[in-house]
Amino acid sequence: DAGVIQSPRHEVTEMGQEVTLRCKPISGHDYLFWYRQTMMRGLELLIYFNNNVPIDDSGMPEDRFSAKMPNASFSTLKIQPSEPRDSAVYFCASSSRGAGIGYTFGSGTRLTVV
Amino acid sequence: AQSVTQLGSHVSVSEGALVLLRCNYSSSVPPYLFWYVQYPNQGLQLLLKYTTGATLVKGINGFEAEFKKSETSFHLTKPSAHMSDAAEYFCAVSDSGGGNKLTFGTGTQLKVEL
Repeated sequence: DAGVIQSPRHEVTEMGQEVTLRCKPISGHDYLFWYRQTMMRGLELLIYFNNNVPIDDSGMPEDRFSAKMPNASFSTLKIQPSEPRDSAVYFCASSSRGAGIGYTFGSGTRLTVV
Repeated sequence: AQSVTQLGSHVSVSEGALVLLRCNYSSSVPPYLFWYVQYPNQGLQLLLKYTTGATLVKGINGFEAEFKKSETSFHLTKPSAHMSDAAEYFCAVSDSGGGNKLTFGTGTQLKVEL
């Protein structure tokens, strides 16, 4: 199994541009999570899906952030327009039957907004 | 609401010495508890977890942790540190009542010195 795959690994963009981060979860996992990691705030849960349906998006910081999961093997996190304070590492994780099993994390996307 | 407190954002030990990373949790229901490790420029990797049953759990790379309900603690230990253990360690909690979100602590950076 290739694990959770995220792309791109690094993204540098200018303020105001649209950014799309991608995630392919482990086949058969029915939960998908998007986290953001910064030095100041640590790991923050942004949103999570169960069977492709968004369950809790209370961590999404602003309307500039949106996430979709059109099918069981693909999810996107979009920021439009991007701002310098969005610079962070964004992680996708997937799980089977919820948190009791533990999550498998991707390698993350390091986003820099200049 | 659940929370996790990791005491000590930085811990330094000598190679061969005992590793002790502290984690205290707060949960209104029986918790599921986890330790994750993050190496530089990588995602988080599950070290070990406690859900039910034996309170002393063993994980990968020689680490173990003990769930102590009376102390609301889940400290991570390793008898003898190795240089390769240098990384950031995160404690996390989830509720056992079917909740699917993991709440992470702020992390402890472990440094191993010769």
